[in-house]
Amino acid sequence: DADVTQTPRNRITKTGKRIMLECSQTKGHDRMYWYRQDPGLGLRLIYYSFDVKDINKGEISDGYSVSRQAQAKFSLSLESAIPNQTALYFCATSDPQGTYGYTFGSGTRLTVV
Amino acid sequence: GENVEQHPSTLSVQEGDSAVIKCTYSDSASNYFPWYKQELGKGPQLIIDIRSNVGEKKDQRIAVTLNKTAKHFSLHITETQPEDSAVYFCAASIGDYKLSFGAGTTVTVRA
Repeated sequence: DADVTQTPRNRITKTGKRIMLECSQTKGHDRMYWYRQDPGLGLRLIYYSFDVKDINKGEISDGYSVSRQAQAKFSLSLESAIPNQTALYFCATSDPQGTYGYTFGSGTRLTVV
Repeated sequence: GENVEQHPSTLSVQEGDSAVIKCTYSDSASNYFPWYKQELGKGPQLIIDIRSNVGEKKDQRIAVTLNKTAKHFSLHITETQPEDSAVYFCAASIGDYKLSFGAGTTVTVRA
């Protein structure tokens, strides 16, 4: 099994719909992140969490919300999807010492029509 | 916040030649500089990193150099092979979290 699992892998949704992207990890790390990848823009941080009770906004949090249900689970929600949220979304985890860098999931490709 | 610029955006090299990717960062307090490789359909994977107390680090065919004064760091891949074809991202952060990424470089190794 993958260390970081994202579901779904692909999703097409309509404008205005609520959608949730899920992430679970087996690394046992406290730190989890959601990034968005767009061509030519690299990866941009949406939200991050250092433990279950700690949620922080990243540089592009508008239009998104998150939930840290457990140490191993971190979900990203789009309350009312819009076409410019079409992107590749990545969840990642890291250890507190930063010894091993980030471990990324395989991504969720989201298309909003 | 931190701003990381990465060049070039695309790079095509002959198999066996070297590839160099350069990044600059804006926040002089940044002290951690990883490089990630992303293959098609996969998430980025850490290939090498360097911290601000080190000027250069090597791992087989991959090396990273850091110039703190100029606020830039570079990835060097020697003796390129077809499996080196991928998108490469540089990143920077203060400490080991909240990485700020460059826009990425698509590397193509021609046989």
